[in-house]
Amino acid sequence: ETGVTQSPTHLIKTRGQQVTLRCSSQSGHNTVSWYQQALGQGPQFIFQYYREEENGRGNFPPRFSGLQFPNYSSELNVNALELDDSALYLCASSRAGGPDEQFFGPGTRLTVL
Amino acid sequence: GENVEQHPSTLSVQEGDSAVIKCTYSDSASNYFPWYKQELGKGPQLIIDIRSNVGEKKDQRIAVTLNKTAKHFSLHITETQPEDSAVYFCASEGQAGTALIFGKGTTLSVSS
Repeated sequence: ETGVTQSPTHLIKTRGQQVTLRCSSQSGHNTVSWYQQALGQGPQFIFQYYREEENGRGNFPPRFSGLQFPNYSSELNVNALELDDSALYLCASSRAGGPDEQFFGPGTRLTVL
Repeated sequence: GENVEQHPSTLSVQEGDSAVIKCTYSDSASNYFPWYKQELGKGPQLIIDIRSNVGEKKDQRIAVTLNKTAKHFSLHITETQPEDSAVYFCASEGQAGTALIFGKGTTLSVSS
């Protein structure tokens, strides 16, 4: 069983740019949740996609957007990058919409200069 | 808003000792409480979880207890080993049943 994978591993962008992060869910999972983890903090929920539809959203501005594809992989897009967007971005996959049994990928480290 | 408080922020124990990490949650509607272990440079790994219809759950050296009335839950690790050293996060169900709300983490150091 293949686990959750994310790409790229690391990314450096400058303020104002746009970025796309990618996540492949674990086999048999139809839900992907995205989290932002600042240094020394717990992950913060951005949004969840269940069967290609947004299924819940945390307290993040509209410049954070996402997609889920028919194979249940997902993208996180962030526009107009700000310095505070520097963080580890984690995706987690699960079998059904909701919080249960979320399995995380290794994350993408985004640095905004 | 929804909140999870986690204590202590750091915990140092000797190999073979027990470690206990405690969390308090705010949303009384929460029914799912997982614990994650995060090693340096890796994503969080689900190590155990508990649902609100159960008071205690064990898996080898790890156990979790839940007190829904007090809105407390705890992680107990017995016979700690150096490989248990990591950051541990508690979480509770939030955002109307879609998200996990995480605590700030506990850095556990096990010295041999």
